[in-house]
Amino acid sequence: NAGVTQTPKFQVLKTGQSMTLQCAQDMNHEYMSWYRQDPGMGLRLIHYSVGAGITDQGEVPNGYNVSRSTTEDFPLRLLSAAPSQTSVYFCASSYSINYEQYFGPGTRLTVT
Amino acid sequence: GQSLEQPSEVTAVEGAIVQINCTYQTSGFYGLSWYQQHDGGAPTFLSYNALDGLEETGRFSSFLSRSDSYGYLLLQELQMKDSASYFCAVGGYQKVTFGTGTKLQVIP
Repeated sequence: NAGVTQTPKFQVLKTGQSMTLQCAQDMNHEYMSWYRQDPGMGLRLIHYSVGAGITDQGEVPNGYNVSRSTTEDFPLRLLSAAPSQTSVYFCASSYSINYEQYFGPGTRLTVT
Repeated sequence: GQSLEQPSEVTAVEGAIVQINCTYQTSGFYGLSWYQQHDGGAPTFLSYNALDGLEETGRFSSFLSRSDSYGYLLLQELQMKDSASYFCAVGGYQKVTFGTGTKLQVIP
């Protein structure tokens, strides 16, 4: 099993550009989530999904969109990148919301 | 909403025992988890408490008191490789909220 995979590992964007961060898991987990991590601020929930076709907002959803068309994939779209979105982004999956979460390796995003 | 408090930094000696505390406020509580993260790495799961009491996994133990909205992570026989950040996380209805993390430095 590959677990949770994320691409790309690193990305530099200019302000106003859009892009999609990819996340996939092969553990047949229903629950998937996206977090951003900034220095001294822990992990903040952006969006989450409790199953294919079902998504909802987390703590910091502004500027991001998600969709969940399959159990395996949960892409995160940045609509118009801003310097405030410079961060490390982690995707995670779990059997259920309060079970052990498995994290991907992260995407380090810089917006200039 | 949910909020968690944990110390920002802790320093301990190799071979010793260290306790990292976590207090939380939440409108709905399903359990308290602990994660470890090394610099540049991804968080990895350590333990989960849904009920009051102590859970032990090797050198790591985690405790929960729901009446006090309090938990802690206990690391025994500290090793240099335990130097990392440790996050507590509260599970609520459909969401998990993470604390800001405790950076543990293990010194010789």
